[in-house]
Amino acid sequence: GENVEQHPSTLSVQEGDSAVIKCTYSDSASNYFPWYKQELGKRPQLIIDIRSNVGEKKDQRIAVTLNKTAKHFSLHITETQPEDSAVYFCAAFGGGTGNQFYFGTGTSLTVIP
Amino acid sequence: ETGVTQTPRHLVMGMTNKKSLKCEQHLGHNAMYWYKQSAKKPLELMFVYNFKEQTENNSVPSRFSPECPNSSHLFLHLHTLQPEDSALYLCASSQGAGGLKFFGPGTRLTVL
Repeated sequence: GENVEQHPSTLSVQEGDSAVIKCTYSDSASNYFPWYKQELGKRPQLIIDIRSNVGEKKDQRIAVTLNKTAKHFSLHITETQPEDSAVYFCAAFGGGTGNQFYFGTGTSLTVIP
Repeated sequence: ETGVTQTPRHLVMGMTNKKSLKCEQHLGHNAMYWYKQSAKKPLELMFVYNFKEQTENNSVPSRFSPECPNSSHLFLHLHTLQPEDSALYLCASSQGAGGLKFFGPGTRLTVL
């Protein structure tokens, strides 16, 4: 089946700096990769996603890159703000049974004012 | 509240109790999911329903029993749970198994 690994598990950055979170997946059949943000006590919310036919996608301060050959994808947050502090989850879909999302273990991001 | 709703938001139960979690989606989606979120662990998929039919059961113990009476409602019936079942239980829905997934707020379950 599919195996998604996410690093780092915790990340602290100064306000205004950039943050990068990386995920690797094992099944080359995976073709859709969403990222979720979960603030303390709240539900996970989709913030950006990328499909396997695209190498990079950007939405204001957040971007995602995908390297299909190396089977890894990354979330980039620029000009971080305190409200970016949350747990971020990556996921991969299409691999394994082809009918479910495989989530990473999450990255707890703290933006220090 | 629109989107995906879950009740109750918090639940404390004893090991011999029987309770049910409810999820409702107002998005017209046809796939619904139950996930378990424990500290320091990935989101664990428990069950998938597609057009009211269960399509995934990820080796979940029988003390968890899902029910999907229609495409908008999903239940998780709980009985004789263990303390290690304490977690946040998240419901989600999507348009098709590969569609964008929207999560409910979760039920924080504590088993004493």
